[in-house]
Amino acid sequence: GAVVSQHPSWVICKSGTSVKIECRSLDFQATTMFWYRQFPKQSLMLMATSNEGSKATYEQGVEKDKFLINHASLTLSTLTVTSAHPEDSSFYICSARDWTANNEKLFFGSGTQLSVL
Amino acid sequence: LAKTTQPISMDSYEGQEVNITCSHNNIATNDYITWYQQFPSQGPRFIIQGYKTKVTNEVASLFIPADRKSSTLSLPRVSLSDTAVYYCLVGDKDPSGTYKYIFGTGTRLKVLA
Repeated sequence: GAVVSQHPSWVICKSGTSVKIECRSLDFQATTMFWYRQFPKQSLMLMATSNEGSKATYEQGVEKDKFLINHASLTLSTLTVTSAHPEDSSFYICSARDWTANNEKLFFGSGTQLSVL
Repeated sequence: LAKTTQPISMDSYEGQEVNITCSHNNIATNDYITWYQQFPSQGPRFIIQGYKTKVTNEVASLFIPADRKSSTLSLPRVSLSDTAVYYCLVGDKDPSGTYKYIFGTGTRLKVLA
């Protein structure tokens, strides 16, 4: 299957700092990428839909000024957690949509564990 | 709201066949059904995808009845390493026209020795 690379795998930061997470589709172009967050023992929660060259669409309750999403190319989307606080500690996962033969599949990155001290 | 409903958890023994059923009553005409496996602290991994009838690959089979309102993931002869959370996923178009994927609870499969 297609490969989605997410970096870093884990990050520890101090409260008030910003953290950037990268998501790359390695062998296909992704006009649409999705960002999720996941708490322990819970399902993935969609945060936002990222479209190449346009503004991201955020889910209700997700602060767009807190979670900045940039999708400047067909293979890269970034999520920046600004002024991080301990309650932002979570597992963040990106996914990219791959269209093949008029059929689409979602492929996921390996996730980023964010710990805010 | 998620478009899918699955059992929260299942237990099985090594070597048995496991069937996990997912309900998606409001699936759209052009939606595919995709199943993923997730281990702790990892992203979901694609298992199988189908539109109707039966699909089989090297790790699983997917059965979809004619009305497509449900689907069943079949894992033959599970091993301890199949202990994971399994999600079925169907796309959803919101009122603004944005197509996105909302996860349901998933099924936590525990394989026992």
